[in-house]
Amino acid sequence: SQQGEEDPQALSIQEGENATMNCSYKTSINNLQWYRQNSGRGLVHLILIRSNEREKHSGRLRVTLDTSKKSSSLLITASRAADTASYFCATEGSGTYKYIFGTGTRLKVLA
Amino acid sequence: NAGVTQTPKFRVLKTGQSMTLLCAQDMNHEYMYWYRQDPGMGLRLIHYSVGEGTTAKGEVPDGYNVSRLKKQNFLLGLESAAPSQTSVYFCASTTSRTRRATEAFFGQGTRLTVV
Repeated sequence: SQQGEEDPQALSIQEGENATMNCSYKTSINNLQWYRQNSGRGLVHLILIRSNEREKHSGRLRVTLDTSKKSSSLLITASRAADTASYFCATEGSGTYKYIFGTGTRLKVLA
Repeated sequence: NAGVTQTPKFRVLKTGQSMTLLCAQDMNHEYMYWYRQDPGMGLRLIHYSVGEGTTAKGEVPDGYNVSRLKKQNFLLGLESAAPSQTSVYFCASTTSRTRRATEAFFGQGTRLTVV
């Protein structure tokens, strides 16, 4: 399977704390994206980082990419209860048109 | 602007029955995808299309067929449903590679149960 893996599978933190989740993938990529999924809903795009970028910020989100290790991390700062959701990374492989998703991290932010 | 719309939202099938899931997007996107989501498995790519009249296999294509007769529609067919196809199905679309933005837009999902 080409599917990436995310770590941890589940994470529970207090409101105000930072949440970090990691994604590893197997092939060379054009870009890596992070998505959020609220329970029972479709996925919503959060942030995209291209293969020639190492770090990107968007609001309370910070994404890093290490192509030599084939890994990425998503940091959510000052978490809120509304951040409770599942988070998925997705990679677009070099020379492909396919988005391959990781297995996801379930984040629970306690108020 | 509706974005990506999936029809139906819920369906219960008996083993051996057939059905078609419809995905429609109004963003003039070139690329469309069908995924299935099972507990603990994340999303797995079934089939995808890079343009009208083209389709290609993803990670888990067996038991499914697709068609892209019109640019805005991507149909997923189950010819003979099996309990292993019980899942939540998501459709997604994204724009052409000639444009910089390549985020995918998702539908709200179809929850399919095969009994």
